[in-house]
Amino acid sequence: GNSVTQMEGPVTLSEEAFLTINCTYTATGYPSLFWYVQYPGEGLQLLLKATKADDKGSNKGFEATYRKETTSFHLEKGSVQVSDSAVYFCALSEWETSGSRLTFGEGTQLTVNP
Amino acid sequence: ETGVTQSPTHLIKTRGQQVTLRCSSQSGHNTVSWYQQALGQGPQFIFQYYREEENGRGNFPPRFSGLQFPNYSSELNVNALELDDSALYLCASSIQGNQETQYFGPGTRLLVL
Repeated sequence: GNSVTQMEGPVTLSEEAFLTINCTYTATGYPSLFWYVQYPGEGLQLLLKATKADDKGSNKGFEATYRKETTSFHLEKGSVQVSDSAVYFCALSEWETSGSRLTFGEGTQLTVNP
Repeated sequence: ETGVTQSPTHLIKTRGQQVTLRCSSQSGHNTVSWYQQALGQGPQFIFQYYREEENGRGNFPPRFSGLQFPNYSSELNVNALELDDSALYLCASSIQGNQETQYFGPGTRLLVL
């Protein structure tokens, strides 16, 4: 079945540091890939997505490139801010005869210190 | 345009009881999915509803059931609550033709004692 593996957290960075959160996936077909962010006490917010190989998703300074050859979708940001502190989830979606469901990784807690 | 809303925000129940959680989808969205997020884990897919019918189900027992109404709002019902049902329950809506992109509500936090 489908699965998503994220780098283990938590991750602690200083403000303006470079961020990478690794994500790899296993899927039977050609999934779409997503990054969601969850702030304390809130639901999930869609951060970015990519629907096919070599696509780059980007939003709010975050980027991730769909790498089919390495089955990866690593999240990067050049300069993090304190406000980026949250839990980040990598997810995939693959269309099935019974609809479309998201499969999530375990999440990576990011803390950015001033 | 309103986003996905859920009610209640918090709920405390005792083992063996039944609970109903509610979700209003984002305007224009006709597909609703429900997820369970245990503490410190990623969300797990429960089921999806489209056109008032279940349209896919994850690895959850039959005591987890749902409904979708003509206005696309939805309910999640859980019977015979167990301690392990304590979690954040998330509703997500999407639009037919782009069901894979799902937008989440704030969730209902359920505690089973």
